[in-house]
Amino acid sequence: GENVGLHLPTLSVQEGDNSIINCAYSNSASDYFIWYKQESGKGPQFIIDIRSNMDKRQGQRVTVLLNKTVKHLSLQIAATQPGDSAVYFCAENTDSSYKLIFGSGTRLLVRP
Amino acid sequence: EAEVAQSPRYKITEKSQAVAFWCDPISGHATLYWYRQILGQGPELLVQFQDESVVDDSQLPKDRFSAERLKGVDSTLKIQPAELGDSAMYLCASSSQSNEAFFGQGTRLTVV
Repeated sequence: GENVGLHLPTLSVQEGDNSIINCAYSNSASDYFIWYKQESGKGPQFIIDIRSNMDKRQGQRVTVLLNKTVKHLSLQIAATQPGDSAVYFCAENTDSSYKLIFGSGTRLLVRP
Repeated sequence: EAEVAQSPRYKITEKSQAVAFWCDPISGHATLYWYRQILGQGPELLVQFQDESVVDDSQLPKDRFSAERLKGVDSTLKIQPAELGDSAMYLCASSSQSNEAFFGQGTRLTVV
């Protein structure tokens, strides 16, 4: 069935560098996308979202890019910090169902 | 800050026993989700409520799992009988019309 997936299971970056986490989705009907951060033993924490009528949205140190042509979503983290170490999930849903579907996640490791 | 409350945080049970998890969503959130997350994987939707009604339980193993949200506020997820393969993190989330879903800290279930 249609699902959300990720290209890289683990990403290791140097503290201070920028991080880019990628996600591919296959449901063309999806119109809302969310990035979540999950630390060990905790529930997913909302980072940033984007709707399908946008191609870029910026938050504090984070930017989400959406390319509907190739069904690709990315999360950019500027000046990565040790506290950014976690697993990052992209999720998608449609306004009609509010059903959130998650990908398998990317682990971000920040080297001091 | 409003948050989704879940209890217990940890539960160890013997296989074939019954177990129940409780979730209190953010006040005013009509949509409530129960997810199961196996270690190293993304959350998998089990059941979705809109107020007191189930809108999606297609992935809920109905022979042993049940969920209810009788008054459209808090919710209970039950497993009877528990099996070894049910060991996982059970996450509850809630959302309003904005689609952004907020997660609780989860219940870590270990079946022995």
